[in-house]
Amino acid sequence: KQEVTQIPAALSVPEGENLVLNCSFTDSAIYNLQWFRQDPGKGLTSLLLIQSSQREQTSGRLNASLDKSSGRSTLYIAASQPGDSATYLCAVSGEYGNKLVFGAGTILRVKS
Amino acid sequence: GAVVSQHPSRVICKSGTSVKIECRSLDFQATTMFWYRQFPKKSLMLMATSNEGSKATYEQGVEKDKFLINHASLTLSTLTVTSAHPEDSSFYICSAFSESRTDTQYFGPGTRLTVL
Repeated sequence: KQEVTQIPAALSVPEGENLVLNCSFTDSAIYNLQWFRQDPGKGLTSLLLIQSSQREQTSGRLNASLDKSSGRSTLYIAASQPGDSATYLCAVSGEYGNKLVFGAGTILRVKS
Repeated sequence: GAVVSQHPSRVICKSGTSVKIECRSLDFQATTMFWYRQFPKKSLMLMATSNEGSKATYEQGVEKDKFLINHASLTLSTLTVTSAHPEDSSFYICSAFSESRTDTQYFGPGTRLTVL
């Protein structure tokens, strides 16, 4: 059974700092891995999707890496801003887009 | 990106009543829709997978007679919480998936259910 763990559970940083969120999964036989953002009481916004054959994806100030063999992914946020404050969720898919298994998330607070 | 809506966004009901939540894919046909449940400060837990025109597949531990799912068309799935109890209070999120689009699920904004 796939299990996804995210570390740290919560993170508070001053504005402008670069930061790294970690995600690990127990079964390396994944199809893809996604990072999502969730604002309080809201749905999910997909940030980055990495196919199992890829090593990283970048979008603006965000960079996600994937090491499938070791079961790890990181989300790097450069020059953090207060607007980045949210919960960040990592999820893996073992089939073609089906059955996402989510981590518990990292609650990020960027202080101005 | 694709748009998925949920209705209602928030509902408060009395214990023992039934509540229906709608999930609609607004600009694409979803071959599969998923229903998730999220407790405060917890991650999303998949409840069931529904394919248009067929019975939903429920995850272990989810009561199919309590959480009725209907996927009547390629753009609409409904979740009915029957005989709701306070422990059913939660945030319910749906997502829609189409094999003809990208390898991702598109998530709705969620429905906050409070059972008194």
